[in-house]
Amino acid sequence: GAGVSQSPSNKVTEKGKDVELRCDPISGHTALYWYRQSLGQGLEFLIYFQGNSAPDKSGLPSDRFSAERTGGSVSTLTIQRTQQEDSAVYLCASSLERSGAFSYEQYFGPGTRLTVT
Amino acid sequence: AQSVTQPDIHITVSEGASLELRCNYSYGATPYLFWYVQSPGQGLQLLLKYFSGDTLVQGIKGFEAEFKRSQSSFNLRKPSVHWSDAAEYFCAVAAGNTDKLIFGTGTRLQVFP
Repeated sequence: GAGVSQSPSNKVTEKGKDVELRCDPISGHTALYWYRQSLGQGLEFLIYFQGNSAPDKSGLPSDRFSAERTGGSVSTLTIQRTQQEDSAVYLCASSLERSGAFSYEQYFGPGTRLTVT
Repeated sequence: AQSVTQPDIHITVSEGASLELRCNYSYGATPYLFWYVQSPGQGLQLLLKYFSGDTLVQGIKGFEAEFKRSQSSFNLRKPSVHWSDAAEYFCAVAAGNTDKLIFGTGTRLQVFP
């Protein structure tokens, strides 16, 4: 079946511009995660969605970052007034929702490479 | 706080040699542990996972890992490395009720023919 897809695969933007990154999770996966991979910080968690709500936003680095999810499916990560330190690969992952004490593995998309010039 | 440590930044092995990548975790409860592999320009692919039960878990591509609670370790092993195994390997622990992943800094594996 189809995996997690992300678009665009590459994005180059000028400092100060806004960008939107899109994630299409695996059908039926109610849990959705955004991560960021950068040279200086490694792989770090940004935000978690359970359905359309985001009970854990603890990893968002500043209020310039926001995300939403609609229809329990597609998610968009928005970065306003981009800065050079936002340059990174943004990864999306989805999974089935935890069932009691049993957790499920996350499936990752190929990522969006963001370069802020 | 939860954390994962991968002490080896870069490892080089000859093709056919055995491999062990180290991973130590810090987590208060029973951990859910994962190993992911990332080839250049690719996303993360799950190699194997540990949730409970048998402490020796088998994964894809001939990899295995052993959970040792007493040592807070989850080391990845492969008896004979292939050139196609050259990649970056990440150990991770699922944290909290959301199961967000806390990653180690990764180990880059280079394989010589």
